[in-house]
Amino acid sequence: NAGVTQTPKFRVLKTGQSMTLLCAQDMNHEYMYWYRQDPGMGLRLIHYSVGEGTTAKGEVPDGYNVSRLKKQNFLLGLESAAPSQTSVYFCASSYSAGGIDTQYFGPGTRLTVL
Amino acid sequence: KQEVTQIPAALSVPEGENLVLNCSFTDSAIYNLQWFRQDPGKGLTSLLLIQSSQREQTSGRLNASLDKSSGRSTLYIAASQPGDSATYLCAVLNSGGSNYKLTFGKGTLLTVNP
Repeated sequence: NAGVTQTPKFRVLKTGQSMTLLCAQDMNHEYMYWYRQDPGMGLRLIHYSVGEGTTAKGEVPDGYNVSRLKKQNFLLGLESAAPSQTSVYFCASSYSAGGIDTQYFGPGTRLTVL
Repeated sequence: KQEVTQIPAALSVPEGENLVLNCSFTDSAIYNLQWFRQDPGKGLTSLLLIQSSQREQTSGRLNASLDKSSGRSTLYIAASQPGDSATYLCAVLNSGGSNYKLTFGKGTLLTVNP
């Protein structure tokens, strides 16, 4: 099993450019999440999904969009990148959200916006 | 709003020492508390998950306790090894308004010196 994979691993963008981060999981998990990790801020939830075709806003959703067209994939889009979006982005998935299941994390995408 | 605090922010110990990492949270209405490990440039790996009804969990040299009423958890690492060097993150899963939100602390950076 590959677990949770993220594409790409690194990316540099110019202000105003767009990009899509891809997360894939092979564990048949219903729940998927996008976080960003910034120095001194910890991990913060951007968006999450409780199943195929559904998405919801997390703590810091502004400037991001997501889609969950297939159960195994969760896409994070930046329509017009800003320097404030320079961060490390982590995707995670879990079987349920009921308290007995942990979240499995991908290796991260390091994004720099110039 | 849930807030999670980890003390100390950094800890350096000699190999073989037993050590305790601390985590506190402000809202006791949680589903569970989890401890994660993060190696430099990597994603998060779940170490222990304590459900709200439990008091502690053990895995090998790791023991995590939970006192929900006081909003505290500790991660005890016995006989520390250089391979334990990493950042340890505490996270709580909130019940109530949002069932799907993990709130993370900023982590404790542990260095175990040979």
